[in-house]
Amino acid sequence: EAGVAQSPRYKIIEKRQSVAFWCNPISGHATLYWYQQILGQGPKLLIQFQNNGVVDDSQLPKDRFSAERLKGVDSTLKIQPAKLEDSAVYLCASRGTGQPQHFGDGTRLSIL
Amino acid sequence: DAKTTQPNSMESNEEEPVHLPCNHSTISGTDYIHWYRQLPSQGPEYVIHGLTSNVNNRMASLAIAEDRKSSTLILHRATLRDAAVYYCILPAWGPNAGGTSYGKLTFGQGTILTVHP
Repeated sequence: EAGVAQSPRYKIIEKRQSVAFWCNPISGHATLYWYQQILGQGPKLLIQFQNNGVVDDSQLPKDRFSAERLKGVDSTLKIQPAKLEDSAVYLCASRGTGQPQHFGDGTRLSIL
Repeated sequence: DAKTTQPNSMESNEEEPVHLPCNHSTISGTDYIHWYRQLPSQGPEYVIHGLTSNVNNRMASLAIAEDRKSSTLILHRATLRDAAVYYCILPAWGPNAGGTSYGKLTFGQGTILTVHP
């Protein structure tokens, strides 16, 4: 079974620029998550999708972060404009019914 | 959400058993206990979960105290590849948890496991 795919693996941008991350979940997984992991901390949930609908975005900084999951498969997470404190690893995870979450290896974002 | 407490770090020698403790004194009767681990430069990986009874799988064993206020993840023979951060989590429930034992994950700091050759 192919795992959760994320790209790019690394991204370096300057503050106030925009950036987008892409996630392709495991085939058939209806639930998709985006997490932010700051160095030295555990992952923090940003947003959860069920198919193409948002079910939890309570911790998403909506003034600068946005996410979408068109057609209930792939998802993109965007930051516009980026701040220094957004430097982190952005993890995508997906889950099928009655299964644990499967994580991708993340995108490491550095803000200069 | 019920909280968990884990030691910041632990060390082990290769091929020896490792017991990783987790305290969850405010656990409710319906809270499942999940363990994930995160190897360097990778995303977290599911290890095991349980409710009341001890559980075994190919990766590890989970021993749950009778009062459920603590649990222990057991790696029977540590290898260098087991060096990782181990997270003990009590998933939170909500209308979108899917009616299963797999709810919303809130990660703490976890335990950094170092394995010496």
